[in-house]
Amino acid sequence: DTGVSQDPRHKITKRGQNVTFRCDPISEHNRLYWYRQTLGQGPEFLTYFQNEAQLEKSRLLSDRFSAERPKGSFSTLEIQRTEQGDSAMYLCASSPSDPDGHEQFFGPGTRLTVL
Amino acid sequence: AQTVTQSQPEMSVQEAETVTLSCTYDTSESDYYLFWYKQPPSRQMILVIRQEAYKQQNATENRFSVNFQKAAKSFSLKISDSQLGDAAMYFCAYRRLGADGLTFGKGTHLIIQP
Repeated sequence: DTGVSQDPRHKITKRGQNVTFRCDPISEHNRLYWYRQTLGQGPEFLTYFQNEAQLEKSRLLSDRFSAERPKGSFSTLEIQRTEQGDSAMYLCASSPSDPDGHEQFFGPGTRLTVL
Repeated sequence: AQTVTQSQPEMSVQEAETVTLSCTYDTSESDYYLFWYKQPPSRQMILVIRQEAYKQQNATENRFSVNFQKAAKSFSLKISDSQLGDAAMYFCAYRRLGADGLTFGKGTHLIIQP
């Protein structure tokens, strides 16, 4: 399978704990995106990487959230001191940079439940 | 800030019939991209169709076509000959030129009646 993969698929944690999610994009894609999707809503953009550079962050990405893409390949999203409001599906997507309007390919998501 | 509005939380259509899902958006940009994504239950999101704003011709992909009205900022999706496999959440999405993330609407839940 050469699609976007995410790990873990499900995470249950207690409030106040830290969690980290991983995304492996399609290998030749240099753009990588993180989104958050709550129940009954469309995905909301969190942040974006072009290769290893984080080029844009949404105001939704509070100080408790941090994302990295150290070698321009896989990416991690860490949430520190989780809150119940962080419960959501976290989606990763990737795309090539050429052409600019290329579709984004989505992974299956990581469902986070904060108790 | 760009916004995308899908005014139909749920739509139902008989199998083999045609259904149209509506989407409007707000932007001050003149060039941008529009997308319809499909999210089946418990499965990942996949692209249905895309449209570049500078192209006047409406995009089509087999049974799926769009009605793109740039002046009205409207981007509806028509599904012809509906099939049971079309049942899903459908999201309209906008992206400006460059590398911004997608701005999604809240989605339309499409039900296909056999």
